[in-house]
Amino acid sequence: IVLTQSPGTLSLSPGESATLSCRASQSVTRNYLAWYQQKPGQAPRLLIYGSSSRATGISDRFRGSGSGTDFTLTISRLEPEDFSVYYCLQYGDSPTFGQGTMVEVK
Amino acid sequence: EVQLLESGGGLVQPGGSLRLSCDASGFTFDSYAVSWVRQAPGKGLEWVSTISASGGSASYAGSVEGRFTISRDNSKNTVYLQMKRLRAEDTAIYYCAKDGVGSWSRSLPYYFDYWGQGALVTVSS
Repeated sequence: IVLTQSPGTLSLSPGESATLSCRASQSVTRNYLAWYQQKPGQAPRLLIYGSSSRATGISDRFRGSGSGTDFTLTISRLEPEDFSVYYCLQYGDSPTFGQGTMVEVK
Repeated sequence: EVQLLESGGGLVQPGGSLRLSCDASGFTFDSYAVSWVRQAPGKGLEWVSTISASGGSASYAGSVEGRFTISRDNSKNTVYLQMKRLRAEDTAIYYCAKDGVGSWSRSLPYYFDYWGQGALVTVSS
C-alpha cells in the first residue's frame, strides 16, 4: 500500500490550525493508520494509532480521523513545539510510511 | 520507563556485513514484537523487519529480504539485525522500535509506540 501525504510543506503561524492528509492506494485494513511527529535529530514520536486514538501523553490538540483510504491529522492551536515533520504509517498490511509533511513557521 | 538502545552501527564497505543490537528495558520484553525501521539521510522512514515476541517468526521488507536477518534473545532482552551484502542504499539511521500491541506470534507489526535513538550505518568505500 502506497501512502501519499499532502501537502509536502504547510506554512502556518502559531495559534493556527493544521490539516494534514494521508491517502492510501487501497483501503487500509481495519483503519490501522498511525501518525508520528519527528523533530530534527530525534526518533519519531507516536501521536495517533488506529486512525483516531491518541497515544499516551499526547495533547488533545492532536486529532486523527478518517477511514478506508483517506485519513487526516488535525493540529489545533499550533504551538512552537508542533513545527516539525509528520508521517503517517499503515500497519494493516506489510507496513509502509508516507513521505512526510513538514509543518513550518510562516 | 521503556528504553531501547541500539548499538553496532558504523562504516562498512559495500558487500560487507554488520550486526546491530537493540537492548530493551522497562517492559515485558517477551510479550512484544520488535522491529527495525530505517531512515536514509534527509529521507523518510522505511520499515525493515519485525520479529515476533516468541522469536518464532519474522517478516522483512522486499529491499532487504535475503540479505538481512532479525533475531532475538529473550533471556537478554535484546534484538539483533544481521546485515549482509550491504549496499550504498542501505546507508541510514536504523531505529529499533517496540510494537504497540502485545502478541506472542504475530510477525507483522502493529504500530510502533517506543523507539530507540538510532544507530547510523554508512556503507561506503
